[in-house]
Amino acid sequence: EVQLVESGGDLVQPGGSLRLSCAASGFPFNNYAMSWVRQAPGMGLEWVSTITDSGDNRYYADSVKGRFTISRDNPKNTLYLQMSSLRAEDTAVYYCAQTHGTTEFDPWGQGTLVTVSS
Amino acid sequence: QSVLTQPPSVSAAPGQTVTISCSGSNSNIGNNYVSWYQQFPGTAPKLLIYENHKRPSGIPDRLSGSKSGTSATLGITGLQTGDEADYYCGTWDTSLSAWVFGGGTKLTVL
Repeated sequence: EVQLVESGGDLVQPGGSLRLSCAASGFPFNNYAMSWVRQAPGMGLEWVSTITDSGDNRYYADSVKGRFTISRDNPKNTLYLQMSSLRAEDTAVYYCAQTHGTTEFDPWGQGTLVTVSS
Repeated sequence: QSVLTQPPSVSAAPGQTVTISCSGSNSNIGNNYVSWYQQFPGTAPKLLIYENHKRPSGIPDRLSGSKSGTSATLGITGLQTGDEADYYCGTWDTSLSAWVFGGGTKLTVL
């Protein structure tokens, strides 16, 4: 069974940093692109970033470019999102998702909550 | 403001049919596959439709997807109370080099 488990969400002050992790199991992790998608409270889905299977290519939403870095450790089957210069508008549940080219996200993890507030 | 436009809400009675529209442009829906996701409150999104009209295993054929030009549609027949959820469309935008989603549609089964 494919499983994605996010962790690392926390309350952080504006301007602070945080690293999210997504532990994957049940599939050949190094064969799939992976993404982070977030959802602010009461709002819709917002794509954050995608990394290719090898990690050679990374894509970012304009809203996080230059502040967030996506990475992966294929031997450890883990996806990461390093977030810095955090803002109140980054407050959201962050989901990791297996990414199938440019066609779909499936499955999704259960999400981890990041709250940026003083 | 979302790149893809969905109606904020739709409603229908149990047993009826409902459609949810998703409107975009040539840079996204017009030239890329559309996927649809279902989300219940407090839970992660779940894939319902991929590549415009394909259903993952376990998704009933009451659900269907279609695409025409720069618009896509999710259809649900034989509505059940358990279908009450938020529904999102998504696709790749070639001009933005970014994934884009619709703002979501809340389905109410009256």
